[in-house]
Amino acid sequence: NAGVTQTPKFRILKIGQSMTLQCAQDMNHNYMYWYRQDPGMGLKLIYYSVGAGITDKGEVPNGYNVSRSTTEDFPLRLELAAPSQTSVYFCASSYEGSTEAFFGQGTRLTVV
Amino acid sequence: QKEVEQNSGPLSVPEGAIASLNCTYSDRGSQSFFWYRQYSGKSPELIMFIYSNGDKEDGRFTAQLNKASQYVSLLIRDSQPSDSATYLCAVNTGGFKTIFGAGTRLFVKA
Repeated sequence: NAGVTQTPKFRILKIGQSMTLQCAQDMNHNYMYWYRQDPGMGLKLIYYSVGAGITDKGEVPNGYNVSRSTTEDFPLRLELAAPSQTSVYFCASSYEGSTEAFFGQGTRLTVV
Repeated sequence: QKEVEQNSGPLSVPEGAIASLNCTYSDRGSQSFFWYRQYSGKSPELIMFIYSNGDKEDGRFTAQLNKASQYVSLLIRDSQPSDSATYLCAVNTGGFKTIFGAGTRLFVKA
């Protein structure tokens, strides 16, 4: 099983550019999440989804958008990239909201 | 008060010793508690989960939960250099909402 797959692993963006971080899971999990992790910090929830067609904001949603058209895929869109969005982004999925989360390998994003 | 608090460390222990990692949380209604291990540059991976008061053991790892004191801990017996990592405490406060602590860096000296 591939588990949770994120692409790309690394990316450098210029200020004002846009990009989409891809995330796919093959475990048939209903719950999917996007977190960001700044150096020395814990994970902050950006957006989450409890199933196809259902998304909602987490703690730090500003500057991001998501969609969930299928159970498997949960892309994260960055519009008008800013230096404050320099971070490591993790996608995760879980069977239920209160159970173990499985994480992708992360995307290291630098905005210059 | 932060929702999930951990000592950032680093916690340094000699090889073979017991490492004790602590976490406190603010939401008394929290039901699920997790410990994730994160190696530098890697993604978090689950070490232990615990739902009920008391101890839960899995190999060299023991998770301890005290809901009255809003405290959860992770003990690592016979610590190995390969245990050197950041340990994230995570608390589910209901539904989707799992809050992560900032993590404790553990360093096991050979």
